[in-house]
Amino acid sequence: DTEVTQTPKHLVMGMTNKKSLKCEQHMGHRAMYWYKQKAKKPPELMFVYSYEKLSINESVPSRFSPECPNSSLLNLHLHALQPEDSALYLCASSQALAGALEQFFGPGTRLTVL
Amino acid sequence: GDSVTQMEGPVTLSEEAFLTINCTYTATGYPSLFWYVQYPGEGLQLLLKATKADDKGSNKGFEATYRKETTSFHLEKGSVQVSDSAVYFCALRGNQGGKLIFGQGTELSVKP
Repeated sequence: DTEVTQTPKHLVMGMTNKKSLKCEQHMGHRAMYWYKQKAKKPPELMFVYSYEKLSINESVPSRFSPECPNSSLLNLHLHALQPEDSALYLCASSQALAGALEQFFGPGTRLTVL
Repeated sequence: GDSVTQMEGPVTLSEEAFLTINCTYTATGYPSLFWYVQYPGEGLQLLLKATKADDKGSNKGFEATYRKETTSFHLEKGSVQVSDSAVYFCALRGNQGGKLIFGQGTELSVKP
């Protein structure tokens, strides 16, 4: 199984809502990533988890809260988002954080904030 | 810091034309280099990679050679198809804690 899955595929939320994005991989990878991607732009790194511990936070606003409950799962909790947060949110995983290891991406969750 | 520069798009080609998308990088040490492809409405897929100088990555008819002397990793395909229409991202993974550094992306449109 070389797949990263993400749910939901689409999400529409108001600025006062609380929602969560979910990512799952069963490749035994120990590093997992959240990216934000605006249309026709490269992905921007948000968070990195290594062995279920937060390793990198790219100065992301606190209205985004990541969680890694176990080595296969990664969540992104959303609260009080702004319309400019509308984007494609991509999850990725790799065998480890260090080394020449490729990242495998999920299909993304397309988020619209009204 | 590390950076990647890609040729700007969009690039429009006719089916069976030759494709080159230029990618150059700046990095300390010996980064690994990648090409990712993103089809409309989808996530990124790894297309090919190279981990050291003179390595050639290849997949689905696409090729790229890691050229340390010119700090380049240009993507080529001899004969493109309509199904190759997508956005292509060049990326490097260097010494910055495993972060992938992406180029700006090049949109390719192949017409029948």
